[in-house]
Amino acid sequence: DVKVTQSSRYLVKRTGEKVFLECVQDMDHENMFWYRQDPGLGLRLIYFSYDVKMKEKGDIPEGYSVSREKKERFSLILESASTNQTSMYLCASSSRGRTHRRDTQYFGPGTRLTVL
Amino acid sequence: GQQVMQIPQYQHVQEGEDFTTYCNSSTTLSNIQWYKQRPGGHPVFLIQLVKSGEVKKQKRLTFQFGEAKKNSSLHITATQTTDVGTYFCARQNYGGSQGNLIFGKGTKLSVKP
Repeated sequence: DVKVTQSSRYLVKRTGEKVFLECVQDMDHENMFWYRQDPGLGLRLIYFSYDVKMKEKGDIPEGYSVSREKKERFSLILESASTNQTSMYLCASSSRGRTHRRDTQYFGPGTRLTVL
Repeated sequence: GQQVMQIPQYQHVQEGEDFTTYCNSSTTLSNIQWYKQRPGGHPVFLIQLVKSGEVKKQKRLTFQFGEAKKNSSLHITATQTTDVGTYFCARQNYGGSQGNLIFGKGTKLSVKP
C-alpha cells in the first residue's frame, strides 16, 4: 500500500514565524502535491512537483514556497506565517506510470495548522 | 473553464435512504475520479471512470460516467452511518502538466441513524 506521511498532525505557530511542513511518500511517485482545505472551499492546490527540484504553482501559491530535493520528500514552507494561513494542509502523491492507477492521488493524514 | 461542479453541497438523509451526488463539467472529460473523505480524515481514492456510459459498482455504491463524458454521478443505496463523509469528484487539468487534478468542492453527506 502507498504510504504518505506528514510530519505533524497538529501545529500551532505564531504570526511571522517560518513554518516547515514535511511530506514523505514511499512509493517512488514522481508527482507530489500540497493542498489546503477550508470549509466550503474544498481542496485548493498550492504547489505541485513532478520531479526532483521541479515545481509548479497551483491556484493559491502566494505566501508559500516549496522544496523537493529528494524524490520521496516534498516540503511546504510558510516564510512568514499569517493568521489567514490557519488551515488543514494535505499532501498527496501520484504516479505517472502506465498503470490504470496513473494520476490517482494518495493523500497523507493532513496537518492542521493554527497561526495565532 | 476546467472546473467541475458538484451538487448538492450538503445532503442529510435518514439511514436506509438512498443518496446521489452529481459532478458536471462544461467540457468533455477524459476520465473522472471519485474520492471519499471521512470526518477528520483525508481523501481516499474510490474509483476512476474512463469510458463513455461506464457504470461501475462497489457494493452499495454505483458510479456512472455520462454518455457525453461531461458528467458523472455517485449513488449510494440504503445509506449506512459508515457512509458519512464528503465525496469529491476530480478531473485532470489539461492546461497543466504531469497529472494535476482539479477537484470539485465536494458533497458532504450526513446520515441520521
